[in-house]
Amino acid sequence: DAMVIQNPRYQVTQFGKPVTLSCSQTLNHNVMYWYQQKSSQAPKLLFHYYDKDFNNEADTPDNFQSRRPNTSFCFLDIRSPGLGDAAMYLCATSRDRAGSYEQYFGPGTRLTVT
Amino acid sequence: AQSVTQLDSQVPVFEEAPVELRCNYSSSVSVYLFWYVQYPNQGLQLLLKYLSGSTLVESINGFEAEFNKSQTSFHLRKPSVHISDTAEYFCAVSGGTGFQKLVFGTGTRLLVSP
Repeated sequence: DAMVIQNPRYQVTQFGKPVTLSCSQTLNHNVMYWYQQKSSQAPKLLFHYYDKDFNNEADTPDNFQSRRPNTSFCFLDIRSPGLGDAAMYLCATSRDRAGSYEQYFGPGTRLTVT
Repeated sequence: AQSVTQLDSQVPVFEEAPVELRCNYSSSVSVYLFWYVQYPNQGLQLLLKYLSGSTLVESINGFEAEFNKSQTSFHLRKPSVHISDTAEYFCAVSGGTGFQKLVFGTGTRLLVSP
């Protein structure tokens, strides 16, 4: 089945220690998104790639970076995690970025910062 | 700017009872409306969507939602819930031309008890 895969499902990192979360997709979609979801809150868009074009949300901290080396893979890098960065990180894809296109979500990576 | 309001943070209900989860939106452009469901420690799954046409949309597992433009609402209903429907439900809106990010409500936790 075509899907969005996130690894690892659970990640523990230390305060200030860089961490990378990965996402892959077999849907061959043009757009890949990264969301941050804190406990009992709505998912918050951090940035998205439209093909190779990176689009950052205005309120995304510089501490968060992303890479998309090819169509299938996208990475979220947190350069110096703080306690406030503990959250579920969701990767999603869509065929195109017009609002009518459905987004397909991965299972998420739960990040703990100690 | 678009926004979504889900007034009920939690809705407890007994199995086989009907349920309605409320969603109101605000938008200055034509909208696309979505309901996503999130089971514990999982990503979001699309439940149903309204893009255009019939204002009543249905999912494969018995949920339905009705787009009401005059009341700017997109409430989700099910005539008889199951224990397995226990989850977090997010209403979301996008719309307009070009890239329009998906804006989520804060979610409603549906708790179905025997």
